[in-house]
Amino acid sequence: QSALTQPASMSGSPGQSITISCTGTTSDVGNYDLVSWYQHHPGKAPKLIIYDVNKRPSGYSNRFSGSKSGNTASLTISGLQAEDEADYYCCSYAGSTTVLVFGGGTKLTVL
Amino acid sequence: QVQLQESGPGLLKPSETLSLTCTVSGDSSSSYYWTWIRQSPGKGLEWIAYMSWSGNNNYNASLRSRLTISVDTSKNQCSLKLSSVTAADTAIYYCARRGVGLWYFDSWGQGTLVTVSS
Repeated sequence: QSALTQPASMSGSPGQSITISCTGTTSDVGNYDLVSWYQHHPGKAPKLIIYDVNKRPSGYSNRFSGSKSGNTASLTISGLQAEDEADYYCCSYAGSTTVLVFGGGTKLTVL
Repeated sequence: QVQLQESGPGLLKPSETLSLTCTVSGDSSSSYYWTWIRQSPGKGLEWIAYMSWSGNNNYNASLRSRLTISVDTSKNQCSLKLSSVTAADTAIYYCARRGVGLWYFDSWGQGTLVTVSS
């Protein structure tokens, strides 16, 4: 069981928006603005899409946005495209003892 | 553009020691930590350990007793050894880069599949 909770699967139609949640605790997500999100197409290297809750790496699509409220972080993908079909993982810093925790991943299907 | 390439044995038997190597090409300055992360079948990601070229490192507490990590700066390689493996260690093992003082991974390798089976 992963430390951060994500929905196992979500789906949406092209052009729609979807939001993937990532729920942690006051020891990780709730205590640090250090949540990152990764897009993973199986067989390829995972790709950083959001860091520090809501920052995008330079050159990355602005269709991806991040936010946080309390112990839950969220990734919103707007204007869904076929190439967005992938697995998405969240990650949070969790202090000097636990250090890092990941979510179980969300498989996004674009219908 | 940095590139990370993992290499490993592919298949090993229970109780054996897993040895993995991550070769870094491109930007391999001292401003980074090189991290091992794994994904077990049907499960999420789990960080294993991270290390710097200068020897600073940290381990996931749940795996610490079985882990040995090292760096070879002459070859731009970081390595991991995990002893007494079981089927639970079957996973795709990734090498990833994070900046010092930063808590996200901006570059990843494609991963290497390790299967533990008798």
